[in-house]
Amino acid sequence: DIVMTQSPDSLAVSLGERATINCRSSQSVLANSNNKNYLTWYQQKPGQPPKLLISWASTRESGVPDRFSGSGSGTDFTLTISSLQAEDVAVYYCQQYYTTRRTFGQGTKVEIK
Amino acid sequence: EVQLVVSGGDLVQPGGSLRLSCATSGFTFSDHYIDWVRQAPGRGLEWLGLTRNKANSYTTVYAASVEGRFTISRDESKSSVYLQMSSLKTEDTAVYFCARSQTASPINYWGQGTLVTVSS
Repeated sequence: DIVMTQSPDSLAVSLGERATINCRSSQSVLANSNNKNYLTWYQQKPGQPPKLLISWASTRESGVPDRFSGSGSGTDFTLTISSLQAEDVAVYYCQQYYTTRRTFGQGTKVEIK
Repeated sequence: EVQLVVSGGDLVQPGGSLRLSCATSGFTFSDHYIDWVRQAPGRGLEWLGLTRNKANSYTTVYAASVEGRFTISRDESKSSVYLQMSSLKTEDTAVYFCARSQTASPINYWGQGTLVTVSS
């Protein structure tokens, strides 16, 4: 199975500042057939199911604020929150869907400094 | 509106069995994959398995951690998916989610989850 490793495990950022979360996969999730990265980012708030933020490593879902962006390719990916808002406090997970056994990263907790 | 409603969570003794249900609505049931994901208290998300869509014969795939103990099945007449869990261990204590996905596509809708507690 592909192992997904996120860093850091947690971070505290001041309101309005940038938050950066990294995700590394143990093997490439880039498909040569269509040049797409099978990598998604979810946001989970306490007591709620995860919410899909970004798919294909960099495609923001409808309704997701543009302060959220995804980048990277192959094995190294980044989720950036350009200007942290209070409502962004949550745990963020990456997940690969390159293989049918879709594995998650361990999560990164984002808090306000 | 796409909905997935999970039910069946309960307190069960170690070694016991439990079946969770995921009732779906608002989309064409046979067109989509349904995944099961769990989250132990205070822990991260763990993907458990999925049932593919009808075009792929509703075949199933499981995570290594639960293969042989957990079984996913569908009832097309009820637009429902089931997770049969057996030989339960204390470490199976978690909130269990069902979610919708598609061939080589991410999970895009989630149910609210149901709590399973394995304890004597």
